[in-house]
Amino acid sequence: EAGVTQSPTHLIKTRGQQATLRCSPISGHTSVYWYQQALGLGLQFLLWYDEGEERNRGNFPPRFSGRQFPNYSSELNVNALELEDSALYLCASSLGAGIAEAFFGQGTRLTVV
Amino acid sequence: GESVGLHLPTLSVQEGDNSIINCAYSNSASDYFIWYKQESGKGPQFIIDIRSNMDKRQGQRVTVLLNKTVKHLSLQIAATQPGDSAVYFCAENNAGGTSYGKLTFGQGTILTVHP
Repeated sequence: EAGVTQSPTHLIKTRGQQATLRCSPISGHTSVYWYQQALGLGLQFLLWYDEGEERNRGNFPPRFSGRQFPNYSSELNVNALELEDSALYLCASSLGAGIAEAFFGQGTRLTVV
Repeated sequence: GESVGLHLPTLSVQEGDNSIINCAYSNSASDYFIWYKQESGKGPQFIIDIRSNMDKRQGQRVTVLLNKTVKHLSLQIAATQPGDSAVYFCAENNAGGTSYGKLTFGQGTILTVHP
């Protein structure tokens, strides 16, 4: 069974540009979570989607947004990129609503220059 | 506010020893806790979880202890192996209110196992 897959693996953008990160959950999982892991820091919760709806949001500015598609895959968009947005962005999925035993992907390394 | 922290940022042990990784949390409403292992270049991997109605849970070579009185949990790894070398994160969640679906992670402990 395929795990959570994220694309691209690495992404380099210029300050002010927009970045789009993609996530495919484990088959059958309806919830998708996005986390930011800045260098040397723990994971910070960004967004949670379930059944196509945004269910919860972390303490990030509105330029961090996303959506979940009917096939439960998800997209994270970061507008007006800033240097401090450079981080590993991790996606996780779980069966149904709730974070219990969420499985993480390998992440997208976003570098803003 | 909510926070989960670790007492020790690094832990170095010899192969075969037992390892204990500690974690403190501040949100008394937290009712679910997870330990994750993150190897270099990979996403966090679920190790073991525990709910607040328990004080101990055992898995394969791992045990999680929860002390709600002092808001502390620990991860014990028996017979630590070089493959256990990684960063270990504790995370907490409360199933109600605005925190539903959100895990609050600690900063992580780097475990290094020497052969």
